[in-house]
Amino acid sequence: NAGVMQNPRHLVRRRGQEARLRCSPMKGHSHVYWYRQLPEEGLKFMVYLQKENIIDESGMPKERFSAEFPKEGPSILRIQQVVRGDSAAYFCASSPQSTGNSPLHFGNGTRLTVT
Amino acid sequence: QQQVKQSPQSLIVQKGGIPIINCAYENTAFDYFPWYQQFPGKGPALLIAIRPDVSEKKEGRFTISFNKSAKQFSLHIMDSQPGDSATYFCAASETGANNLFFGTGTRLTVIP
Repeated sequence: NAGVMQNPRHLVRRRGQEARLRCSPMKGHSHVYWYRQLPEEGLKFMVYLQKENIIDESGMPKERFSAEFPKEGPSILRIQQVVRGDSAAYFCASSPQSTGNSPLHFGNGTRLTVT
Repeated sequence: QQQVKQSPQSLIVQKGGIPIINCAYENTAFDYFPWYQQFPGKGPALLIAIRPDVSEKKEGRFTISFNKSAKQFSLHIMDSQPGDSATYFCAASETGANNLFFGTGTRLTVIP
C-alpha cells in the first residue's frame, strides 16, 4: 500500500533545536500539502508545494519554518530553533491535482514535542 | 478567522443511534465539501464529499445533507456502531484554491 509516508512518527526536540519532518507522497501524486493540528483543534493549512516549487506558503509562520519538495526525495518541513508552541501534530497530504478538484490523502503525521 | 464552523465539539450516542454533525461556512465561493474521519494516532481519511449541485449524498451509512441558501451542511451516520467512534472533520474549498479549510472537529463516541 503506497500511501503517504511520514517520518518520524514521533519527534522530541529541546527548545532551540531544529526539527525535520519528512513526507513521501502517494505514488503518482505531485502535489504536497502540510497541515498542523494542535490539540482539540482542526487542521490548519501551512504550505502547498509541487516538485521543486512552493506554490502557496500563506499558512507558514514568517520565521523559523521552511518547506521544500526537491526533484528527488521526500518533501521536508523544517522548523528551526523550536519553541514549546511548535508542539503539535504535523500532517502531510498529497493529491494528483490541486485541492479544489481532488481529495487529499493524508499521512499518519509526525507528533512533535518540544521540551 | 474560522472559515468553517463545526458543532458539536463532542457527541455521545448509543449503538444504532443517528449522530448528526453540523457545519456552516460564509464564503459563497466554496464548492467542495468533504468530510474526514480521524482515529487516534492516524491521519484524517476522506469519508464522503459533496458539491453544491446536489442537496444530499449517501454512501453506505453516511449521508451528507447540503443547504446552499443557508450555507450549511451536515453529516448523518445511520445505525452508528462502536467502530464509528472517531473525530470527524468537515472541510470546504473552492475550485482552483490551494487549501482546504477545516472545521474544529467533533469527537464521536458510540456506546455499545
